[in-house]
Amino acid sequence: GIQVEQSPPDLILQEGANSTLRCNFSDSVNNLQWFHQNPWGQLINLFYIPSGTKQNGRLSATTVATERYSLLYISSSQTTDSGVYFCAVAEKTSYDKVIFGPGTSLSVIP
Amino acid sequence: EPEVTQTPSHQVTQMGQEVILRCVPISNHLYFYWYRQILGQKVEFLVSFYNNEISEKSEIFDDQFSVERPDGSNFTLKIRSTKLEDSAMYFCASMKGEQYFGPGTRLTVT
Repeated sequence: GIQVEQSPPDLILQEGANSTLRCNFSDSVNNLQWFHQNPWGQLINLFYIPSGTKQNGRLSATTVATERYSLLYISSSQTTDSGVYFCAVAEKTSYDKVIFGPGTSLSVIP
Repeated sequence: EPEVTQTPSHQVTQMGQEVILRCVPISNHLYFYWYRQILGQKVEFLVSFYNNEISEKSEIFDDQFSVERPDGSNFTLKIRSTKLEDSAMYFCASMKGEQYFGPGTRLTVT
């Protein structure tokens, strides 16, 4: 099955700093999403981005499907950005099984 | 905005008991999923459901687990005889293009 890796595993940022999180996947995908899991455990949709680039406020994401990676950019980080960021992919041939990466744990300190 | 709902938010049960976790997916979505997340670990795929039947299941989803869509709106996960290691957060999701997650049910098996 498809393998999903994320880097870095942990990240500590000073408030106001920028960061780039990476997601690599081992096979062609149908669907790629980025989620933020907040400290209360909720999974919040950030981006649905099987290819291309999207922006939403201070966050943006780029997926290069042919090279099997996606990047999540966080600019001017705030303490509320803390939590775990997951990417999740569905294999190209199917929507049936969606695999999550191990996540990047982000702590933004004042 | 439509959302996925889950009940209960927290369930405590004794080892060996049966539990049923309930989900109401977004009404025009076609694919439904259950995931679990053991505390501090990544989100693990359990099962996907499409066209009123299981379309894919993981190795975690053994004979102790079952899913049902008893009516047009609810989607349930049943664990027949709970074990201590079933303690986790269980997330339901529905998808039409992108996945939307419910807030989760925290299951504690004592």
